[in-house]
Amino acid sequence: EDQVTQSPEALRLQEGESSSLNCSYTVSGLRGLFWYRQDPGKGPEFLFTLYSAGEEKEKERLKATLTKKESFLHITAPKPEDSATYLCAVPINQAGTALIFGKGTTLSVSS
Amino acid sequence: DGGITQSPKYLFRKEGQNVTLSCEQNLNHDAMYWYRQDPGQGLRLIYYSQIVNDFQKGDIAEGYSVSREKKESFPLTVTSAQKNPTAFYLCASSPQVGSVLTFGAGSRLTVL
Repeated sequence: EDQVTQSPEALRLQEGESSSLNCSYTVSGLRGLFWYRQDPGKGPEFLFTLYSAGEEKEKERLKATLTKKESFLHITAPKPEDSATYLCAVPINQAGTALIFGKGTTLSVSS
Repeated sequence: DGGITQSPKYLFRKEGQNVTLSCEQNLNHDAMYWYRQDPGQGLRLIYYSQIVNDFQKGDIAEGYSVSREKKESFPLTVTSAQKNPTAFYLCASSPQVGSVLTFGAGSRLTVL
């Protein structure tokens, strides 16, 4: 069965305390993995797409990496404005019409 | 600025009533989608449309209906047949199916 699992469900960090969020997936034939950020009461906002194992992408304090079984979103020296829910999603069909979203990791960064 | 506009942001409905959520995009995207988000669950696909006058059911289409008469618009009707309609509804679009999604700000529906 195709699955996307994110861990931890919630993460509390102090400002400047680096950490990583995990997205593990079981799909037959990876066709990309998407990371989104969602603020409370708003729609998700696109962060990264990764397509092949070993690929890495960075944006400000965020770095996404991909292996054959999981992806990590590394947050370096986070700030309170990084507080949000981070979602990952994986297409499970060739056309990409069917995306499985993980339940998300809610990150809280306190100053 | 290009984007997706969803309305209303908040909607209250009595049981047995149909409601329609609006979604308009000015990104010139071909594909549009409706997702449902419940607390503690991942986003689930209700319907998607690749082109005008064509749409496909997603994982949880029962109790919902859509139309795609114009490229820019993809309204969602939550019918009285939907047994548990209270949720946060998200509209999204992409240049073509399978590419990066741009989401609207969402509509929160509460059934009283």
